[in-house]
Amino acid sequence: EVQLLESGGGLVPPGGSLRLSCAASGFTFSNYAMSWVRQAPGKGLEWVSVISSSGGSTYYRDSVRGRLTISRDNSRNTLYLQMNSLTAEDTAVYYCAKHPETFGDSVIDYWGQGTLVTVSS
Amino acid sequence: DIQMTQFPSSLSASVGDRVTITCRASQGISKWLAWYQQKPEKAPKSLIYAASSLQSGVPSRFSGSGSGTDFILTISSLQPEDFATYYCLQYNTYPLSFGGGTKVEIK
Repeated sequence: EVQLLESGGGLVPPGGSLRLSCAASGFTFSNYAMSWVRQAPGKGLEWVSVISSSGGSTYYRDSVRGRLTISRDNSRNTLYLQMNSLTAEDTAVYYCAKHPETFGDSVIDYWGQGTLVTVSS
Repeated sequence: DIQMTQFPSSLSASVGDRVTITCRASQGISKWLAWYQQKPEKAPKSLIYAASSLQSGVPSRFSGSGSGTDFILTISSLQPEDFATYYCLQYNTYPLSFGGGTKVEIK
């Protein structure tokens, strides 16, 4: 059974940093691309970033490029999102999501339960 | 960037009703569209991929159609557990983009 378990969310002041983690199990993590998707309170889903199975290719939405960095450790079956220079607009539940292909220009087939990031003073 | 326009944004329906939700892409995306169901405080669940292929384990009352720019999710006979918010996702081009969501409520 595919399981994705996010951690690392919390309250951070504007301008602060946070690192999210997603522990994956139930599948061969190193074979699949992974994404982060976020959802602001009461709002819709917004794709944030994707990383290929090897980690060699990454893509970001414009509003986070340069501030958020996606990475993965295939030896630890873990996906990361380093978040710097946070603003109130980054407040959201962050979901870890799996793609069924090596590259991320493919459907998302599984989602984690999410971790809440709140940016506030 | 590809914009996904989803409508209606909400609808009220009764158990047993046929429900359709539409998603329109700002440019052609071939068949690279998925549909997700999300219940309050829960993660999204995958329903449909490649516009019309049903994910394993999803009831056959759910179906998808369309290609190019116009896509439809149909629930043939609404069940109590189907009251939720539905989102479309285009994965033809980066950045991936979701529709704004359709909340299906009980009439």
